[in-house]
Amino acid sequence: AQTVTQSQPEMSVQEAETVTLSCTYDTSESDYYLFWYKQPPSRQMILVIRQEAYKQQNATENRFSVNFQKAAKSFSLKISDSQLGDAAMYFCAYRSLTRGTYKYIFGTGTRLKVLA
Amino acid sequence: DAGITQSPRYKITETGRQVTLMCHQTWSHSYMFWYRQDLGHGLRLIYYSAAADITDKGEVPDGYVVSRSKTENFPLTLESATRSQTSVYFCASSESSRGHDFFGPGTRLLVL
Repeated sequence: AQTVTQSQPEMSVQEAETVTLSCTYDTSESDYYLFWYKQPPSRQMILVIRQEAYKQQNATENRFSVNFQKAAKSFSLKISDSQLGDAAMYFCAYRSLTRGTYKYIFGTGTRLKVLA
Repeated sequence: DAGITQSPRYKITETGRQVTLMCHQTWSHSYMFWYRQDLGHGLRLIYYSAAADITDKGEVPDGYVVSRSKTENFPLTLESATRSQTSVYFCASSESSRGHDFFGPGTRLLVL
């Protein structure tokens, strides 16, 4: 069975600094997606970035980038130039693309605090 | 309004009562999902639907029933609510199995 692990329950970063959130996963599948979602205090789940497993190039979205290490099954999120609005819970998620099945496994989340 | 909506946003009920949570999306997305979010567990998939009249179990389906007679609606029913079903419930939709989910605002359910 697939698992997603976020080992950092809470992280802090100074405004304008860079922070990296860790995520590891376990799977025997070769075709899958990985996602990072942000959940601010409003509880709305917002997609931050996604990575297709077959792509070697790391995904980037403005100040957000990932370090995808497929062999190590690691998918960390780097936030550059942190802003107060980045404070939120961040969830790593794995989606299986095996034909005929649907699995969407979320980690337990990392709470990011941004210090002014 | 375009998007995905959930109702009610907050619900208090008693053990043994039937409760239905509503979900409506305006994008005509094929896929719809129900998740529950609990401390220490992240989000867990309850049920999903790949199209109208097609539903399937997720990770934690026991005690829940879903239906999807129309593409845009995906109600979740707790047939006999239990205290363990106190949670925040999120509905989501996706254009395809390869796309990401668009989440609703959530329903906070308290079962007394």
